[in-house]
Amino acid sequence: RKEVEQDPGPFNVPEGATVAFNCTYSNSASQSFFWYRQDCRKEPKLLMSVYSSGNEDGRFTAQLNRASQYISLLIRDSKLSDSATYLCVVNGPRGGYNKLIFGAGTRLAVHP
Amino acid sequence: DGGITQSPKYLFRKEGQNVTLSCEQNLNHDAMYWYRQDPGQGLRLIYYSQIVNDFQKGDIAEGYSVSREKKESFPLTVTSAQKNPTAFYLCASSGRQGDNVLTFGAGSRLTVL
Repeated sequence: RKEVEQDPGPFNVPEGATVAFNCTYSNSASQSFFWYRQDCRKEPKLLMSVYSSGNEDGRFTAQLNRASQYISLLIRDSKLSDSATYLCVVNGPRGGYNKLIFGAGTRLAVHP
Repeated sequence: DGGITQSPKYLFRKEGQNVTLSCEQNLNHDAMYWYRQDPGQGLRLIYYSQIVNDFQKGDIAEGYSVSREKKESFPLTVTSAQKNPTAFYLCASSGRQGDNVLTFGAGSRLTVL
């Protein structure tokens, strides 16, 4: 089993749709969780951290479910500019300084 | 503006050649990292450095070397011992210890001919 697993997609959705991605992780001791966005052939950029109580940033909502060991990202009112790959990131099993484990990403394509 | 500069953006090399990828940051970050990204895979950690003159191997360090002589600079050398060097290489940095938020450079795309 991979340490961090994501559905690779692509998720093809129309503008204005709501779309959700899940990411599962294997290490129950993980403490830090993030969603990064990566555009084609570009570097990843932090989208949002994921907090235990869940958090929202505009159209984006992140949730953490420790019991089932997954995090989720919900995007409401999708825009064309949301088309990208979304990377789930979890701090690693060795728990060391910044030993983060990256998922392979979920690709989102928003069409007119 | 503060950030991370990687160069070159694209690099072609022949088999058997060593190449060095540059990474410079002006964010005053203590920690710096090198990752490799291959299609369909997550980023994998090659090397990281928490302070000047110190660095540790990541998960896939074989065939790579680094140095950290200055806080701002963390160059990566891809040696001829690296079996499959064609990849997208990303340099990142982060602030104080325990800060898990990474800032990435724009990446260097290496192709071995």
